[in-house]
Amino acid sequence: ETGVTQSPTHLIKTRGQQVTLRCSSQSGHNTVSWYQQALGQGPQFIFQYYREEENGRGNFPPRFSGLQFPNYSSELNVNALELDDSALYLCASSFGQGSYGYTFGSGTRLTVV
Amino acid sequence: DQQVKQNSPSLSVQEGRISILNCDYTNSMFDYFLWYKKYPAEGPTFLISISSIKDKNEDGRFTVFLNKSAKHLSLHIVPSQPGDSAVYFCAASGDGGSQGNLIFGKGTKLSVKP
Repeated sequence: ETGVTQSPTHLIKTRGQQVTLRCSSQSGHNTVSWYQQALGQGPQFIFQYYREEENGRGNFPPRFSGLQFPNYSSELNVNALELDDSALYLCASSFGQGSYGYTFGSGTRLTVV
Repeated sequence: DQQVKQNSPSLSVQEGRISILNCDYTNSMFDYFLWYKKYPAEGPTFLISISSIKDKNEDGRFTVFLNKSAKHLSLHIVPSQPGDSAVYFCAASGDGGSQGNLIFGKGTKLSVKP
């Protein structure tokens, strides 16, 4: 069984630009959650997708948006990038909403300059 | 304000000894607690969890203790091995927020010396 795959692994963007991060969920998992981990902090919940719909959202502005596709893969889009958006973005997949049996990917390191 | 606090940024332990990692929380609505381990350049890996209706859960060398009255939980690793060296995150859920919303602490870096 394959794990969670995230791409790209590293990314550098300029303030004001837009970015799309991608995540392939683990085989058999139908739920995807995204987390932001700033340096020296724990992961912070952005949102979760279940059956292609947003199932819950953390304290992040609307310029953070996402998609889930029929194959359960997912995208995280961030518009109008700010310097504080620099962080490790983690994708986690699980089976069923409300499940805590997360499998995390290795993350995408985003640097905004 | 942090709802889940790991007050020790780092811990160093000798191989074979016990490692005790601590975590405090403020929200009495939390009903499920988890520990994750993270190696550099990898995502967090689930280690062990405990429901708020229990006070202890054991899995091999790992035991989690929950003291609800003190809003405190701890992870015990016995015996500690060099491969246990990693950052350990405590996480909680059930605060009435979004589904799948885990609240993480800042982590404790464990170093197990041979």
